Amino acid sequence: DQQVKQNSPSLSVQEGRISILNCDYTNSMFDYFLWYKKYPAEGPTFLISISSIKDKNEDGRFTVFLNKSAKHLSLHIVPSQPGDSAVYFCAALYSGGGADGLTFGKGTHLIIQP
Amino acid sequence: NAGVTQTPKFQVLKTGQSMTLQCAQDMNHEYMSWYRQDPGMGLRLIHYSVGAGITDQGEVPNGYNVSRSTTEDFPLRLLSAAPSQTSVYFCATKTPTSYEQYFGPGTRLTVT
Repeated sequence: DQQVKQNSPSLSVQEGRISILNCDYTNSMFDYFLWYKKYPAEGPTFLISISSIKDKNEDGRFTVFLNKSAKHLSLHIVPSQPGDSAVYFCAALYSGGGADGLTFGKGTHLIIQP
Repeated sequence: NAGVTQTPKFQVLKTGQSMTLQCAQDMNHEYMSWYRQDPGMGLRLIHYSVGAGITDQGEVPNGYNVSRSTTEDFPLRLLSAAPSQTSVYFCATKTPTSYEQYFGPGTRLTVT
């Protein structure tokens, strides 16, 4: 039972255009969401997060949107750059659970075409 | 600051062998955790610790032991390796006041 779903295993976008990565979740207890970026042979690095009390959070070229009613979030990267090519993981947690463990999606491999 | 370090980077074990994956952090964070990542899968929580002397199970704890005697170190022990434990293992840490976890570079383990 996958609680965090990233339905696009890969996404190809031209350099300079907008990249939109999507994520859906099924557990209504999740109240904090994070995006991680991962290069091959490296650990995931934190990118941006959003609390369920907000519907948008922005940090430079990265914006995360949260639609609680649809249990959907998306990461927008504008403009896309070659260094953005990586696997992006969506993660969620329930802040009242105590473990603070993250539930991850399977990831989306973003490829930025020159 | 080195952040989160993991050793070894690569390891090959035979079924039934034991080994310890090392994780150390110099960020003085109380919370540490272990995840595994299998091909085509997201990361899954194995064990976590909220401070020295305190550990608890995550989503997939079977076959793994942990202990936390210092703030800096959080080793993960495989007592009797199985092929199903072939995976990439990541250690992570975070502060008590945030949810963002900082990951180490990973250990790629193959069990034959």
